[in-house]
Amino acid sequence: GAGVSQSPSNKVTEKGKDVELRCDPISGHTALYWYRQSLGQGLEFLIYFQGNSAPDKSGLPSDRFSAERTGGSVSTLTIQRTQQEDSAVYLCASSLLSGNTDTQYFGPGTRLTVL
Amino acid sequence: GEDVEQSLFLSVREGDSSVINCTYTDSSSTYLYWYKQEPGAGLQLLTYIFSNMDMKQDQRLTVLLNKKDKHLSLRIADTQTGDSAIYFCAVMFSGGYNKLIFGAGTRLAVHP
Repeated sequence: GAGVSQSPSNKVTEKGKDVELRCDPISGHTALYWYRQSLGQGLEFLIYFQGNSAPDKSGLPSDRFSAERTGGSVSTLTIQRTQQEDSAVYLCASSLLSGNTDTQYFGPGTRLTVL
Repeated sequence: GEDVEQSLFLSVREGDSSVINCTYTDSSSTYLYWYKQEPGAGLQLLTYIFSNMDMKQDQRLTVLLNKKDKHLSLRIADTQTGDSAIYFCAVMFSGGYNKLIFGAGTRLAVHP
């Protein structure tokens, strides 16, 4: 079946502009996660959704970052007034939240470049 | 806070075994994962191990877990050029939410 998809695959924007990144999780997956991967770094957790609610927003780096999930499916990550340090690959993952394994499956990511 | 450490680079000859190591600090972690990332691609789940296991084998992959030392390793037998990628160790955070804590990744280079 289809995996996690993300759009756009690449986004170049100017400093100060707002951007929206989209994630389509695997159908039926209850949990959705956003991570950020900066150049040469590991993955940094941003936010976790269970259904439409976000019990853990602890990883959002500033109030310029927000995310929502509607209908228990698609999620959008919005970055307002982008800064150059926001340049990174933003990865989305989803999981079934069944049993204890909760294996997360990742999308291909959106590469964001802020000029 | 929770931390996961990996060596950054490993170079092996084609046909040899590769061993990628990882240490972590959260002793309550229940599941530990290995992901593979090829250039320009997302993360591909390779394998995972539950914390009450010492070893898990899946074809060419062997995962060893030393819970006492909080050490995880991934062994790739008969390493091929197609195994060249970045390998991430990830530990499930035990603090109530299902977030993964990732290491910085080990870049595996396979040469003839």
